[in-house]
Amino acid sequence: QSVLTQPPSVSGAPGQRVTISCTGSSSNIGAGYDVHWYQQLPGTAPNLLIYDNNNRPSGVPDRFSGSKSGTSASLAITGLQAEDEADYYCQSFDISLADSVFGGGTKLTVL
Amino acid sequence: QVQLVESGGGLVKPGGSLRLSCTASGFTVSGYYMSWIRQAPGKGLEWVSYISSGGGSIYYADSVKGRFTISRDYARNSLSLQMNSLRPEDTAIYYCARVSPEPAVVNGLPLDAFDIWGQGSMVTVSS
Repeated sequence: QSVLTQPPSVSGAPGQRVTISCTGSSSNIGAGYDVHWYQQLPGTAPNLLIYDNNNRPSGVPDRFSGSKSGTSASLAITGLQAEDEADYYCQSFDISLADSVFGGGTKLTVL
Repeated sequence: QVQLVESGGGLVKPGGSLRLSCTASGFTVSGYYMSWIRQAPGKGLEWVSYISSGGGSIYYADSVKGRFTISRDYARNSLSLQMNSLRPEDTAIYYCARVSPEPAVVNGLPLDAFDIWGQGSMVTVSS
């Protein structure tokens, strides 16, 4: 059971917009700790997608965006493309556990 | 080119030991917080250990505390993870990852993202 809760799967058609939620608590996201997002393409290592809630590393398309409110965060992908099919993970810090914590991951399927 | 390359994975019996290495290129590991993160087959990501940029602070997840040791080899510009008393539940792909040089910290633990990841090294613990 992950400290940060993500939906196991989401799907969308090419060109559509999808969102992936990451729900935490008052000891992590709700405590003000930043949320980071990673994309893991099939058979590869994770890759940083969004850092500090809503910032994109260089090279990440602006189709990807992040937001945070209260005890939750969201990753939005617009203009969905076949190459976006991957697993997505959120990450934050939990003061009660004194650990970096990850969400359980969300598998995005492009229909 | 900034990259990390892991090595040293393999098959080991329960109770055995294994040492993973992670060699960096394009940057100096001693200047960054570094970490090990693992992913059990078909499962999500789990943080394992951090070492600070100066090497003076080291942290472990409770699941590996007392069994795993993280260290740096300055001459080889690499990071290592010595894994002892291995258990079947340690079976996973182990990734090394880079954090910022001077991340925001809470109780010494970094809050910043993992910005560079290695390709991973598979560790299988089975009799």
